[in-house]
Order: sequence, then C-alpha cells, then structure tokens
Amino acid sequence: GAVVSQHPSWVICKSGTSVKIECRSLDFQATTMFWYRQFPKQSLMLMATSNEGSKATYEQGVEKDKFLINHASLTLSTLTVTSAHPEDSSFYICSARERYGSSSYNEQFFGPGTRLTVL
Amino acid sequence: RKEVEQDPGPFNVPEGATVAFNCTYSNSASQSFFWYRQDCRKEPKLLMSVYSSGNEDGRFTAQLNRASQYISLLIRDSKLSDSATYLCVVRHGSGNTGKLIFGQGTTLQVKP
Repeated sequence: GAVVSQHPSWVICKSGTSVKIECRSLDFQATTMFWYRQFPKQSLMLMATSNEGSKATYEQGVEKDKFLINHASLTLSTLTVTSAHPEDSSFYICSARERYGSSSYNEQFFGPGTRLTVL
Repeated sequence: RKEVEQDPGPFNVPEGATVAFNCTYSNSASQSFFWYRQDCRKEPKLLMSVYSSGNEDGRFTAQLNRASQYISLLIRDSKLSDSATYLCVVRHGSGNTGKLIFGQGTTLQVKP
C-alpha cells in the first residue's frame, strides 16, 4: 500500500518558537494532502486541505497565519506552527490522496503523526 | 452537536465475545462511510469501507442505514489484538473537495 511519512515523529520546543513538520508521500504522487490535529481522547479534527501548487483551504477556526501550510511538490507538504504555545501541544497527522484517476484515488493514506509538546 | 457521534465507551469484553459499535451522522449529503482503527498514539488505519448493502470482512461486519443516518460495526470472536479505538468516518463531497469527518471513536478493550 501507499506510504506516507512524517518528520519529526515527536518534538519538544519552548513557547514562542516555530516548528516545521514535513509530510511526504513516498511511493505515489499526492495532489491533495490534509492536515489533522488530535487532542487526547478526542477525534481527529481537519485543520486544512492543500492541493499541490495552490494555497491551502483552512477549516473554520484554524488560523492560517499561525499554521502555515506549503504544498510545493506532489510528494511534500509542510505544516509550520508559528510562535507555538502550550495550547498548540497536540498530535498532528497528515494524510495524502493520490491523483485523480488512480486506482486508489478514493483512499486517504495517513502518516504516522507528529507529537508536539510546547513547554 | 457533533457531525459524527459515537459512544466513546470503553467497551470491556472477554475474548471470543461479539461486540457492536454504533455511529450516527448528521449530514445527509455524506457520500462515503468508513471504519478506521486507531491504536494508542498511532495514526488511524482503514479497517473497512461501509456500503449500503452491508459488507463483511472476516470477523468484521459493517452496516449502513442511509435513511436513519446510522452506521454499525460488528466484531465477532473478539481477539486481544482487537483492542483499539474504532473511528466512524464519513466523507462529504467527491473529487478533490471530499474530506473525511471523524467521530470521537469508541474504545474497545478485549480481556483474556
């Protein structure tokens, strides 16, 4: 099956710093990538949807200036949490979807997640 | 009200038991339905899609009732390895605009 990687798998940072999380599709081209956030004992909440080469579409209540998303290529999307604060501590998961027309187009493949702790 | 509602559990069952999870969704425009499994501190993994006619995959049976906006998952002959959180997921729209909406998840603990 298709593989999605995330880096780093976990990060601890001081309040006020920025953290960049990378999401890569390793063996397929992802025209669409999704970024989710999951707090303990809660469901995955979609933060934004990004299509390669265009600006991300953010969900209501998600600050686009705080969570910068770049989807510069068909295999890489990055999420930068700017000026992170303790309330941003969460499990961030990316997901990728193959290009339209592929046999697995309707399936989303999830990365292993990045656990962010802001002190 | 949450768009996808699940009983969070936990469900504590002995090995070999049959257990059923229910889920309701509020958006009648939802087009696709899934059950995902999530282990502690891991990403969700697709367990099975859910079709209107109902579908089975080994010990797992999924049912969909569009009229009632209700989805179910039945697990027969529970194994210790089935312990996990089961997420009910719906998709709105199609094409590049489709996005997954996750329920809170139902936690299952299978005991020896």
